[in-house]
Amino acid sequence: DIVMTQTPLSSPVTLGQPASISCRSSQSLVHSDGNTYLSWLQQRPGQPPRLLIYKISNRFSGVPDRFSGSGAGTDFTLKISRVEAEDVGVYYCMQATQFPFTFGPGTKVDIK
Amino acid sequence: EVQLVESGGGLVQPGGSLRLSCAASGFTFSSYSMNWVRQAPGKGLEWVSYISSSGYTIYYADSVKGRFTISRDNAKNSLYLQMNSLRDEDTAVYYCARTGSEFDYWGQGTLVTVSS
Repeated sequence: DIVMTQTPLSSPVTLGQPASISCRSSQSLVHSDGNTYLSWLQQRPGQPPRLLIYKISNRFSGVPDRFSGSGAGTDFTLKISRVEAEDVGVYYCMQATQFPFTFGPGTKVDIK
Repeated sequence: EVQLVESGGGLVQPGGSLRLSCAASGFTFSSYSMNWVRQAPGKGLEWVSYISSSGYTIYYADSVKGRFTISRDNAKNSLYLQMNSLRDEDTAVYYCARTGSEFDYWGQGTLVTVSS
């Protein structure tokens, strides 16, 4: 199974300041079809997860452009350019390249 | 508007069974693969099962293989998860999720509690 790790696990941030979360996979997430199925999900308190970024760097419909994704192979990053109060929650990376699909442990983002 | 609404959760004793449903609307259900994902209280996300759009291709997490069965009825726009031989560790909120651009839409979840 592909193991997903995230750093940091907790990230207190100042409103208006940037935040960055790293995600690493135990093996390459490049699929045989050439795509890399690495996504980022946001889960606000008491809410279901919500897709933010898919295939490394594609923002999903309605996602603010302050969210961006980058990376390749086994190392990926989610960046929030300027954190807003509504960004508080837990962020998960996940891979859908190989079954079983796996999630990172989550990074809790809150306001200092 | 894409909507996924789970139902069927509740309290069940260890060794018991439960059937979850996910009613889909707002998109052509038969064109999309679907998944079940669960989240134990205070924990992270765990993928449970996948079913292709036709229903012919199915995968399970090792933790549920042999006990859970995923199925779908494209005529009824519904996804199901039959859960047998339930264990304490199956206690979680169960979400259904559509696989479009990865897991692009999620339901609100249904809580399954396994306890005597």
